[in-house]
Amino acid sequence: DSGVTQTPKHLITATGQRVTLRCSPRSGDLSVYWYQQSLDQGLQFLIQYYNGEERAKGNILERFSAQQFPDLHSELNLSSLELGDSALYFCASSVGYSGQPQHFGDGTRLSIL
Amino acid sequence: QQPVQSPQAVILREGEDAVINCSSSKALYSVHWYRQKHGEAPVFLMILLKGGEQKGHEKISASFNEKKQQSSLYLTASQLSYSGTYFCGTRRDSGYALNFGKGTSLLVTP
Repeated sequence: DSGVTQTPKHLITATGQRVTLRCSPRSGDLSVYWYQQSLDQGLQFLIQYYNGEERAKGNILERFSAQQFPDLHSELNLSSLELGDSALYFCASSVGYSGQPQHFGDGTRLSIL
Repeated sequence: QQPVQSPQAVILREGEDAVINCSSSKALYSVHWYRQKHGEAPVFLMILLKGGEQKGHEKISASFNEKKQQSSLYLTASQLSYSGTYFCGTRRDSGYALNFGKGTSLLVTP
């Protein structure tokens, strides 16, 4: 158990819809990272928040957005969903904002029908 | 830019050794290694910083060649529990996020 909690575990929805993925970091961790994992692309970094502020941005689509709240939990919002958005979405957390080990949650599997 | 891992997949018998490579076309600040078992989350193994080498886990060690922008993960006397997909994550500078490779699938058989 990494201490990182992601909900829900599975999401099934239709194209065009909007969903929210939630992540609670390990106790004491200030950074939250979001990754998308698909079979052919591996782990793709989306975005990082540190203590409530955006720290780094990766290949995140404009249809996707995220935020980190004062209690340090984070949400990833995916809108206007397309079939290609079907993937496993991981959240990870670390103590600092750079260079520390990242601890991954169990992921949310998103299926778009 | 995504680092390149090789080989893509490897099958070993228990007790054999393996090497997984991670290469980048850009100068690297650090390399992180993770292992993901089927259906589970990635788990941190170790970090290698520019100028250093660190052993992090069981009989698994790694090296970091800054001049070649390459890291190698060494698994010695492999155990069944080593099976999984190994990912390297690279950082170009201290302020950059990790960029993961596509992974190397390792299967250890009895």
